Amino acid sequence: GAGVSQSPSNKVTEKGKDVELRCDPISGHTALYWYRQSLGQGLEFLIYFQGNSAPDKSGLPSDRFSAERTGGSVSTLTIQRTQQEDSAVYLCASSSLGKYEQYFGPGTRLTVT
Amino acid sequence: QKEVEQNSGPLSVPEGAIASLNCTYSDRGSQSFFWYRQYSGKSPELIMSIYSNGDKEDGRFTAQLNKASQYVSLLIRDSQPSDSATYLCAAMGDYKLSFGAGTTVTVRA
Repeated sequence: GAGVSQSPSNKVTEKGKDVELRCDPISGHTALYWYRQSLGQGLEFLIYFQGNSAPDKSGLPSDRFSAERTGGSVSTLTIQRTQQEDSAVYLCASSSLGKYEQYFGPGTRLTVT
Repeated sequence: QKEVEQNSGPLSVPEGAIASLNCTYSDRGSQSFFWYRQYSGKSPELIMSIYSNGDKEDGRFTAQLNKASQYVSLLIRDSQPSDSATYLCAAMGDYKLSFGAGTTVTVRA
């Protein structure tokens, strides 16, 4: 079956602009996660959605970052007023109910110039 | 102190040899552990999960867990050039994964 999909695969934006990154989880997976991978910080957790429950936003680095998940499926991560330190690969993962294994999408490489 | 520490490598092994990767974690509440393989420019790919003390084998891969020592390891037997990648150890707490920095493995033909 289809895996996690993310779009765009690459995004170059100017400092101060807003960006939206999209994630479509594996069909039937109830949990969705966003992570960020950068050279200096490794792979770090950002936010977690489980079904219709309130998301765990504890990993979001600042209030410029927000995410939503519509209809329990597709998720959008929004970064407002982008900064150069936001440059990273943003990875989305999903898992099925009752399972702990998380499967990653191909990622979106964000470059802030 | 990072929650998950891995031997930094890089690790170079000859083709056909065993590659041994080690990982320690600091959160005693972690119950689930994972190994991901990441090729350069690609996203992490899940290769092993382990939840109980002891060994778990899947093909050429064996994961080992010792919760008392807070230690996880991955053995890759009969290493192949296609195993050359970065291997990430992850521990789960509250459904979030904490990752180590990764160990880069190079298999020499």
